[in-house]
Amino acid sequence: TQLLEQSPQFLSIQEGENLTVYCNSSSVFSSLQWYRQEPGEGPVLLVTVVTGGEVKKLKRLTFQFGDARKDSSLHITAAQPGDTGLYLCAGFTNAGKSTFGDGTTLTVKP
Amino acid sequence: DSGVTQTPKHLITATGQRVTLRCSPRSGDLSVYWYQQSLDQGLQFLIQYYNGEERAKGNILERFSAQQFPDLHSELNLSSLELGDSALYFCASSTPLGEYNEQFFGPGTRLTVL
Repeated sequence: TQLLEQSPQFLSIQEGENLTVYCNSSSVFSSLQWYRQEPGEGPVLLVTVVTGGEVKKLKRLTFQFGDARKDSSLHITAAQPGDTGLYLCAGFTNAGKSTFGDGTTLTVKP
Repeated sequence: DSGVTQTPKHLITATGQRVTLRCSPRSGDLSVYWYQQSLDQGLQFLIQYYNGEERAKGNILERFSAQQFPDLHSELNLSSLELGDSALYFCASSTPLGEYNEQFFGPGTRLTVL
């Protein structure tokens, strides 16, 4: 069973601060996705990383895939209240299974 | 709007009852996934269908079953409902044999079992 551990579980910061959330596993994934979910709504895909060491930027969000394709991080620069939500990582294996982490709940206070 | 639709949005029922949740994938997507999300358990993968056939199975209870129809819509059947089945149920779809398994989620069905 592939497990994805996300940390921290909860994060509360002030507007303008930077933050990093982590997604770790002992398994190797062929790709890894990050999603953002708002209360009562479905997760929305932010990015997919597929190559070890890959870095992708989406405005103020920077995503990195570990060299061994077992871990990933999401860094947000100058967080805004609109960034508030549940951030989920999901690993995809060649066997066709997706495994989701339990998520990081981010609260950005104005 | 992801293009994935789910009905109903809310469902309230009693223990021991049976319900059916419906999902229509994005146009062109052949894969459908079902997930359960409870407050204390995160997003749990239940089952995946691809073009009408079961492709992968997660932690789906025997009381639960699903199917995907020729028009690619899918239904999740939950029977002998228990209080602990109260949760958000999400459907997601992905592109045909999508290399990166990028999934697009519907708005969910909130099931409350009283």
